Amino acid sequence: GDQVEQSPSALSLHEGTGSALRCNFTTTMRAVQWFRKNSRGSLINLFYLASGTKENGRLKSAFDSKERYSTLHIRDAQLEDSGTYFCAANTNTGKLTFGDGTVLTVKP
Amino acid sequence: NSKVIQTPRYLVKGQGQKAKMRCIPEKGHPVVFWYQQNKNNEFKFLINFQNQEVLQQIDMTEKRFSAECPSNSPCSLEIQSSEAGDSALYLCASSLSWGIGDTQYFGPGTRLLVL
Repeated sequence: GDQVEQSPSALSLHEGTGSALRCNFTTTMRAVQWFRKNSRGSLINLFYLASGTKENGRLKSAFDSKERYSTLHIRDAQLEDSGTYFCAANTNTGKLTFGDGTVLTVKP
Repeated sequence: NSKVIQTPRYLVKGQGQKAKMRCIPEKGHPVVFWYQQNKNNEFKFLINFQNQEVLQQIDMTEKRFSAECPSNSPCSLEIQSSEAGDSALYLCASSLSWGIGDTQYFGPGTRLLVL
């Protein structure tokens, strides 16, 4: 079936630094969503992309359907950015296929 | 961020018992999805609706679950006979449309423990 390969599985950053998360897709996806799971366990929407890039504050995401990947860049990481991040991709059927998540830890 | 409401937040059942959870989608969202997230953070799509009509569902859902989204009432997902392997977080999401058009907004989930 459709697969979403998310990396890295865990990431540790010092405050003020940045990095990128990546999701590779084994098939052509039409759209991608990025989420962060907050301390209460709820999935918070970060981005929805059908193409191109979007930016929101210190986060920036890109999606290339043809090359079958999406990225989430975090810059100037803050302690409150810690959490588990998921990408989820959508074919034409509506249902999302999720990556396995990236556990981000931001240290002082 | 999301206004999807799920109840109850926690549910404990014995094996063989029915387990029912409910979801109120965001106002104006006709499409509702149910997903199961296991302890390994793996998500599984279960079923989706547009208004009261089932759009897609997996085999497991068809055989062991009962789900509906009646007009003017919360959507519900019910496991007819709970098994230990059903212990998971059940997430409801709603959207303006199915297909690729719109963001899915997730509720906080119902955490089911089957003893």
